[in-house]
Amino acid sequence: DQQVKQNSPSLSVQEGRISILNCDYTNSMFDYFLWYKKYPAEGPTFLISISSIKDKNEDGRFTVFLNKSAKHLSLHIVPSQPGDSAVYFCAASGTSYGKLTFGQGTILTVHP
Amino acid sequence: GAGVSQSPSNKVTEKGKDVELRCDPISGHTALYWYRQSLGQGLEFLIYFQGNSAPDKSGLPSDRFSAERTGGSVSTLTIQRTQQEDSAVYLCASSLTSGRFDEQFFGPGTRLTVL
Repeated sequence: DQQVKQNSPSLSVQEGRISILNCDYTNSMFDYFLWYKKYPAEGPTFLISISSIKDKNEDGRFTVFLNKSAKHLSLHIVPSQPGDSAVYFCAASGTSYGKLTFGQGTILTVHP
Repeated sequence: GAGVSQSPSNKVTEKGKDVELRCDPISGHTALYWYRQSLGQGLEFLIYFQGNSAPDKSGLPSDRFSAERTGGSVSTLTIQRTQQEDSAVYLCASSLTSGRFDEQFFGPGTRLTVL
């Protein structure tokens, strides 16, 4: 049972444009959400997070939006850069410790 | 400073053999997590250590899987009698404390292939 889903396996965007990555979850106990970025042969690295008490969190070019009623979150990257090309994982937490449930990942390709 | 390291980076084994995967967390990090990523899947939680104790091992797929952590540092994930479905990338992460808002730092993973 996939509790966190990223339904788009891949996304291709032109440099300078906006990238929007989407994530859906089913478990109502999840109240903290994170995005991780992964380059080949490396471990995932933390990008940005959002608590369920907020609906938006911004950090530079990266903004995460949370729609609790729809159980949906999205990551916006503006403007997109070729160095943003990577696999992006959505993750969710519903415990007091750091156990994370991940989505399948979306491969983002930013073309120059 | 040094990040999380894992060894070996690649492991090819025959079905039925035992394997040991090692994780060296960041020095001073008390929490340690093991995940695995099978082909086309997201990262799947396996086990969580706080110090040397494992309060949550709910993600271990079967009793062929076990893990330990010694000295509050190095952790070993052991898979006995490996099966082809065990083929995956096994990732380790550590965080300063077990608090859910503490950033987890991941190692590069061990790619396990069971023939």
